[in-house]
Amino acid sequence: DTEVTQTPKHLVMGMTNKKSLKCEQHMGHRAMYWYKQKAKKPPELMFVYSYEKLSINESVPSRFSPECPNSSLLNLHLHALQPEDSALYLCASSPDRGTYEQYFGPGTRLTVT
Amino acid sequence: GEDVEQSLFLSVREGDSSVINCTYTDSSSTYLYWYKQEPGAGLQLLTYIFSNMDMKQDQRLTVLLNKKDKHLSLRIADTQTGDSAIYFCAESILISGGYNKLIFGAGTRLAVHP
Repeated sequence: DTEVTQTPKHLVMGMTNKKSLKCEQHMGHRAMYWYKQKAKKPPELMFVYSYEKLSINESVPSRFSPECPNSSLLNLHLHALQPEDSALYLCASSPDRGTYEQYFGPGTRLTVT
Repeated sequence: GEDVEQSLFLSVREGDSSVINCTYTDSSSTYLYWYKQEPGAGLQLLTYIFSNMDMKQDQRLTVLLNKKDKHLSLRIADTQTGDSAIYFCAESILISGGYNKLIFGAGTRLAVHP
C-alpha cells in the first residue's frame, strides 16, 4: 500500500481564519514533506520532517506552521493567509531521508478569500 | 544551479507511442523521476531511474537516460485516452543533512485524441 491521505480535499478560508491541513501515511515512512503547487506550476518544497523533527524549512513564511505529532501524521496549520497563498498543498512521504522515491497524497486545494 | 526543463505540450493519436523529453542541469542527481498528475489530483509516481542506468522498462513505460547530455525521456507505448495528464520530470538533489529535495520541471501536458 503506497497511499498517502490528505484532508480536507478542498478548503476555503478568509484571511483572518485559522485552519489546519492533515496528512496521514501508514507505510512506516520516516520522512514527510509539504509541497505547494500554484496553478499550472510544478510543486515546490516547503518543509521536510524526518523522524518527527522539522529538518528543512525552505524559507516559508511563519503564517504556515507545520507539526508532526507522530510518525504517521503531518499537519500544516494556517493563520492569517493571503490570497496569493491559494494553491494545491501536497503532502508526500518517503521511507527515509536521502534518495528515496516520494509518494504523494491527492492534495488539499486551498482558496484564501 | 538546479533546473529541469520540459516541453509544455504533446498531442498524440490513441494507439501511438508518446515520447516526453526532459533535460536537467545538476550532474550530482542520483535519481530521476517521472510523475503523472491528472486534473485536480495529486502526483502519481510512475517510474524512476538511478543515475548509473541507461534504460528502465516497466510494462508500457520506457525511461531512457543520457547522463552525458543530462537528458531523460519517457516513452509510453500504445498510448490510451487514460494517459492524458500532465507528466512531471523531477531530479533529486541531496541537500544539507542528507535530505532529498525534488526539483520538478514545468510539466508536459499530454493530450491523447482518437
